[in-house]
Amino acid sequence: EPEVTQTPSHQVTQMGQEVILRCVPISNHLYFYWYRQILGQKVEFLVSFYNNEISEKSEIFDDQFSVERPDGSNFTLKIRSTKLEDSAMYFCASSRTGGTDQPQHFGDGTRLSIL
Amino acid sequence: LAKTTQPISMDSYEGQEVNITCSHNNIATNDYITWYQQFPSQGPRFIIQGYKTKVTNEVASLFIPADRKSSTLSLPRVSLSDTAVYYCLVALGGGRRALTFGSGTRLQVQP
Repeated sequence: EPEVTQTPSHQVTQMGQEVILRCVPISNHLYFYWYRQILGQKVEFLVSFYNNEISEKSEIFDDQFSVERPDGSNFTLKIRSTKLEDSAMYFCASSRTGGTDQPQHFGDGTRLSIL
Repeated sequence: LAKTTQPISMDSYEGQEVNITCSHNNIATNDYITWYQQFPSQGPRFIIQGYKTKVTNEVASLFIPADRKSSTLSLPRVSLSDTAVYYCLVALGGGRRALTFGSGTRLQVQP
């Protein structure tokens, strides 16, 4: 069964450094998403992306964050200048369409640790 | 905004059937109900989705009454590996695709 894959599984970065998290969505999916989960807390929506544009974003997704689909397979989340509070699990998800009848399928995440 | 309410935790024993009920009083006409499972340090895993009546797949059944204000996830004959957090989700409506996760139901299966 096709799945969403994320790399790396764990990223350790110094505060203030840039970090890029990578995702390969399911191949025939058109909508892509990033979520995060701070340890012990709820999964939070960050951003959705369709047709090379951001379609929705949350208040968390400020100017420090950006997303990109640099080629036909990868979908990336960049944090420009990391803060301690960016430490979390970051999940990528994809869905075939944007309809509510199409479930989002999640990867197993990247654990981001900011020192 | 559609909001869901589900029990914080449930306990069961191996081999039993587990039913987790979720209420979503403000569900929009076009919205589907989706259930996810999450293990520690893993991403949410899609279990089942439905719009009305009953949906069954290889891992679970989903029962949705006619008014769609609630739904029940049924896990037949649970095993220890079903210990996880289960989330009931409905869309926010208005064409938004962002999923809003609540705290979910923490299911603990005992031997």
